Amino acid sequence: NAGVTQTPKFHILKIGQSMTLQCTQDMNHNYMYWYRQDPGMGLKLIYYSVGAGITDKGEVPNGYNVSRSTTEDFPLRLELAAPSQTSVYFCASTTGTGVETQYFGPGTRLLVL
Amino acid sequence: DAKTTQPNSMESNEEEPVHLPCNHSTISGTDYIHWYRQLPSQGPEYVIHGLTSNVNNRMASLAIAEDRKSSTLILHRATLRDAAVYYCILRKRLSNFGNEKLTFGTGTRLTIIP
Repeated sequence: NAGVTQTPKFHILKIGQSMTLQCTQDMNHNYMYWYRQDPGMGLKLIYYSVGAGITDKGEVPNGYNVSRSTTEDFPLRLELAAPSQTSVYFCASTTGTGVETQYFGPGTRLLVL
Repeated sequence: DAKTTQPNSMESNEEEPVHLPCNHSTISGTDYIHWYRQLPSQGPEYVIHGLTSNVNNRMASLAIAEDRKSSTLILHRATLRDAAVYYCILRKRLSNFGNEKLTFGTGTRLTIIP
């Protein structure tokens, strides 16, 4: 299993542009999450999904959108990028049953200039 | 929401045991205590979790106080590869779906001295 994969690894975006961060997991997990991590800080939850077609907001959803059309994929869309969205973005997944652990991807480093 | 308190940083010598403390005085009866760590430039990875009893796995041990208001992650023999930020997290329940949310604080940055 590849686990959780994210693309791209790094990207520079201009203010006002839009882009989609990709996340794919091959573990057949129902639950998927997007976090952001600012320098020197812990992770903050942006959006999560409990299955295909079902998504909900986390702590810091403003400026982002998500969709979940398949079990495997959970893309994060940034609309009208702002410098405050400069961060490292992590995708995670879990089975959603019992006392499960979350499996994290390697992250996407995004710089908005 | 119940919060955790950890020291910002700790140092330890290589090949010695490391005890990483965590306070969670407002923990509720159904909160599990999870530990994750984040190696440099990587995503967090699961280390261990427990509810009331002490737990051991191949990576570490988790010692939970009898009143559950604190816990300690124990690395029995630290190596240079254990240098990371360690997060102590109380598992919380999200919305009506019953799934769990992980709330990350700033963690403890562990430095291993060769």
